[in-house]
Amino acid sequence: KQEVTQIPAALSVPEGENLVLNCSFTDSAIYNLQWFRQDPGKGLTSLLLIQSSQREQTSGRLNASLDKSSGRSTLYIAASQPGDSATYLCAVTSSGYSTLTFGKGTMLLVSP
Amino acid sequence: EAGVAQSPRYKIIEKRQSVAFWCNPISGHATLYWYQQILGQGPKLLIQFQNNGVVDDSQLPKDRFSAERLKGVDSTLKIQPAKLEDSAVYLCASSPYTDTQYFGPGTRLTVL
Repeated sequence: KQEVTQIPAALSVPEGENLVLNCSFTDSAIYNLQWFRQDPGKGLTSLLLIQSSQREQTSGRLNASLDKSSGRSTLYIAASQPGDSATYLCAVTSSGYSTLTFGKGTMLLVSP
Repeated sequence: EAGVAQSPRYKIIEKRQSVAFWCNPISGHATLYWYQQILGQGPKLLIQFQNNGVVDDSQLPKDRFSAERLKGVDSTLKIQPAKLEDSAVYLCASSPYTDTQYFGPGTRLTVL
């Protein structure tokens, strides 16, 4: 059974810092990995999707990397802003299935 | 393009009562998902529909939960009778493919 772990559970940083969120998964036979953002009282917004054959994806100040063999992914946020404050969730799609397995998320607070 | 719509946004009920949630996916999306997100956890898939048919309901507590998707469009998720541990946010998502899921804002259920 696939399990996804995210570290840290919570993170508080001052504005402008670069930061890294970590995600690990137990079964390396994945189809893809996604990073989502969840604001309080809102649904999930997909930030980046990395196919199993890819090593990284970038969108603006966000960069996600994938090391499938070691079962790890990182989300790098450059020059953090207060608007980045949210919970970030990592999810994997296991090969042969279309369902997502989520981690518990990292709650990020960026203070001005 | 309109997003995934869900109603109600909030619901408070007593234990042993019944409750129903409604989801309207993005037009043309064949796949629809219902997730349960307990506070502090990542979303857990309850059921996945492909058009009218159920693809995966392995984690749906079938003794109390039921879901249907009529005419391959709207969907309802019902809980009868509710338990205290059913307190959670219920998220609906839709997808034109299996890679990208678009989430609604969710329904927050509190069972007293």
